[in-house]
Amino acid sequence: DAGVTQSPTHLIKTRGQQVTLRCSPISGHKSVSWYQQVLGQGPQFIFQYYEKEERGRGNFPDRFSARQFPNYSSELNVNALLLGDSALYLCASLPWGANVLTFGAGSRLTVL
Amino acid sequence: GQQVMQIPQYQHVQEGEDFTTYCNSSTTLSNIQWYKQRPGGHPVFLIQLVKSGEVKKQKRLTFQFGEAKKNSSLHITATQTTDVGTYFCAVENTGFQKLVFGTGTRLLVSP
Repeated sequence: DAGVTQSPTHLIKTRGQQVTLRCSPISGHKSVSWYQQVLGQGPQFIFQYYEKEERGRGNFPDRFSARQFPNYSSELNVNALLLGDSALYLCASLPWGANVLTFGAGSRLTVL
Repeated sequence: GQQVMQIPQYQHVQEGEDFTTYCNSSTTLSNIQWYKQRPGGHPVFLIQLVKSGEVKKQKRLTFQFGEAKKNSSLHITATQTTDVGTYFCAVENTGFQKLVFGTGTRLLVSP
């Protein structure tokens, strides 16, 4: 069985640009969460989606948005990129009712 | 918001030495999880502790939840080079399935 898959694995953007990151959860998992991990720090919660609805949002500006599709895959969008948005963006999937995260390999974003 | 502190931030040991990382919260926790992140990798779930004073073992790893459910520790006996990585504790905050990760302890093991 495939695990959590994320794309792209690496990308470089310039300030002011927009980026879209994609995530496919483990088959059967209906909940997807997004985390940002800045170098040298622990992951920080951004969003949680379940059954295409936002169930939670962390302390991130409105430049960050996300959505979940009928097949439970998800996209994270970040507008007007800042240098400080450079980080590893992690997607995690889990079945509803569980609280253990299975992370994908992440998308490493560099903003120049 | 809730903060979870880990100490030490970094530890460098010789292979065969023991290692311990501590996780401390200012509030009582319902449960605590531990994750390991290898260099260049992503966090991987190790274990979850739920009960006060709970102790769980995984081979050379021993996990403990404090009696007051405000702290936890991870102890590795006789470290190996494969133990290299950053160890994070994580706790639930403001709702089910939303985790707050600790500051992490980076472990380096020299052969």
